[in-house]
Amino acid sequence: NAGVTQTPKFQVLKTGQSMTLQCAQDMNHEYMSWYRQDPGMGLRLIHYSVGAGITDQGEVPNGYNVSRSTTEDFPLRLLSAAPSQTSVYFCASSYSGGGNIQYFGAGTRLSVL
Amino acid sequence: AQKITQTQPGMFVQEKEAVTLDCTYDTSDPSYGLFWYKQPSSGEMIFLIYQGSYDQQNATEGRYSLNFQKARKSANLVISASQLGDSAMYFCAMREAYAGGTSYGKLTFGQGTILTVHP
Repeated sequence: NAGVTQTPKFQVLKTGQSMTLQCAQDMNHEYMSWYRQDPGMGLRLIHYSVGAGITDQGEVPNGYNVSRSTTEDFPLRLLSAAPSQTSVYFCASSYSGGGNIQYFGAGTRLSVL
Repeated sequence: AQKITQTQPGMFVQEKEAVTLDCTYDTSDPSYGLFWYKQPSSGEMIFLIYQGSYDQQNATEGRYSLNFQKARKSANLVISASQLGDSAMYFCAMREAYAGGTSYGKLTFGQGTILTVHP
């Protein structure tokens, strides 16, 4: 069972570079979300999606773009990376039943130099 | 204002003993969900237990139970018979509806409690 798959696991960028963090789920979940985790802090919501073609901003959306063309995939784009975006990024998916429990991918550790 | 407050940065427990991790929350939404996740040193986020705001009974999942006190807005995690493998960071999280929007797909997390289990 793959669940939620995030790639890459690690990434180093230079300031100003762009990149896309990939997230895929094989559970046919309607909801997908991106979070970032900074040292000593809990996770904070960046963007989320309630279904294909529908996305919305979370608590810390600046500097990130998302799109959701399929149920399975929810990529997170950094258009011009900044050192403040150094963090661990988690993707999660959930469905409308069972309390909407979110299941997380293994995370992507990103460093921006 | 903090939506989720975990006041214990670190906790220690002896193996085989029980431990309670505190969590208080703040919401005006009558329909909300409370969750606990475990994050071991390897970094993944592992779902442990869920409590809905309308659930009459406290949730239990194996050695985990959630002590839900709605009037006090607390949702403490109780781990019974601690094991060495329970050493990890534990996060309390809440799902709530924002005005005019859905709550699904959105969690607010506390800052976490590091639990260390001693042999």
